Amino acid sequence: AQSVTQLDSHVSVSEGTPVLLRCNYSSSYSPSLFWYVQHPNKGLQLLLKYTSAATLVKGINGFEAEFKKSETSFHLTKPSAHMSDAAEYFCVVSPSYSSASKIIFGSGTRLSIRP
Amino acid sequence: EPEVTQTPSHQVTQMGQEVILRCVPISNHLYFYWYRQILGQKVEFLVSFYNNEISEKSEIFDDQFSVERPDGSNFTLKIRSTKLEDSAMYFCASSMKPYEQYFGPGTRLTVT
Repeated sequence: AQSVTQLDSHVSVSEGTPVLLRCNYSSSYSPSLFWYVQHPNKGLQLLLKYTSAATLVKGINGFEAEFKKSETSFHLTKPSAHMSDAAEYFCVVSPSYSSASKIIFGSGTRLSIRP
Repeated sequence: EPEVTQTPSHQVTQMGQEVILRCVPISNHLYFYWYRQILGQKVEFLVSFYNNEISEKSEIFDDQFSVERPDGSNFTLKIRSTKLEDSAMYFCASSMKPYEQYFGPGTRLTVT
């Protein structure tokens, strides 16, 4: 079975400081992993994805994530937070890349940015 | 950039009424999905649809729910007799490949 755990329900950082949102996954085979962002009253936007190519994945808005198989982690980082980054972030695992199957969402991390 | 659209953005209905939530997936996508997010909870999978049939559904997706792709562009979710616990944000998603899903903005369903 696949699962995904977001270790922090809420992260607060100051503008201009680094962001780290933690995600651990469990999968019986090589997963596809994603980060989605949800701004207030908006839909879910794909930030970045890992699908067994490069382990360091770059996404939109300066975000990146590193797939670490030994640690079963896929943490999201950004060197310098911006006020517009305040949103809910979801780590997502796809059980299979070969079937029209559901993706599994983490419980989400709310990112707050202090001026 | 093409995007998934959903209508309406907010639907209020009375318990026991039927609702239809509409989605227009990205035009060349082949896989279609519905998810829901009850306020304060995780996003949950409801159903996936490919080649004009349901390919997978969750235990939430009982006989009260149905999906349809009535033409080449729309993808609908019908709830036959709404319950209070159906109140949630419903997201449609579509993809060219099964694992890279693009989500719509959601429809907030309020059942009173």
